[in-house]
Amino acid sequence: DAGVIQSPRHEVTEMGQEVTLRCKPISGHNSLFWYRQTMMRGLELLIYFNNNVPIDDSGMPEDRFSAKMPNASFSTLKIQPSEPRDSAVYFCASSLGGATEQFFGPGTRLTVL
Amino acid sequence: SQQGEEDPQALSIQEGENATMNCSYKTSINNLQWYRQNSGRGLVHLILIRSNEREKHSGRLRVTLDTSKKSSSLLITASRAADTASYFCATDPTGANSKLTFGKGITLSVRP
Repeated sequence: DAGVIQSPRHEVTEMGQEVTLRCKPISGHNSLFWYRQTMMRGLELLIYFNNNVPIDDSGMPEDRFSAKMPNASFSTLKIQPSEPRDSAVYFCASSLGGATEQFFGPGTRLTVL
Repeated sequence: SQQGEEDPQALSIQEGENATMNCSYKTSINNLQWYRQNSGRGLVHLILIRSNEREKHSGRLRVTLDTSKKSSSLLITASRAADTASYFCATDPTGANSKLTFGKGITLSVRP
């Protein structure tokens, strides 16, 4: 099993540009999570899907952030327009169900200039 | 504030010593989990302890849970340089829609 796959691993963009982060969860997992990690705020849950349906998006910072899960094997997190304060490492994780063991991807390091 | 708060924030020990890390939380939970994060990597699950369990072992790891004090500890015995990482506790609060809340982590340095 390849584990959770995220792309790109690094993204450098300019303020105002659209950014799309991608995630492929582990096959058979029915829960998918997007997290953001910064030194100041630690690890924050942005949004959580169960069976491809968004269950809790209360952590999404603002309307500039959106996430989709069109099928069980793919999810995207989009930021439009991006701002320097969005710079962080974004992790995708999947699990067999909610609050059981979560498997994290390697993360996408986003830098917004 | 964070549901799970780890203590200390940073810990430096000599190889071979034991490392003890603590986590406190505020509300009732279904389970508590510990994760490790090596620099530049994603988090890796170490161990899960359910609210009706008091102690659990996995290799050199020992986790305890005291629900009356709302606290947990992670003990790493006979530490190795490879244990150098950040360690996070994560709680599954009851009624929280099955999502975990992570603490800010403990930075463990094991000196060779």
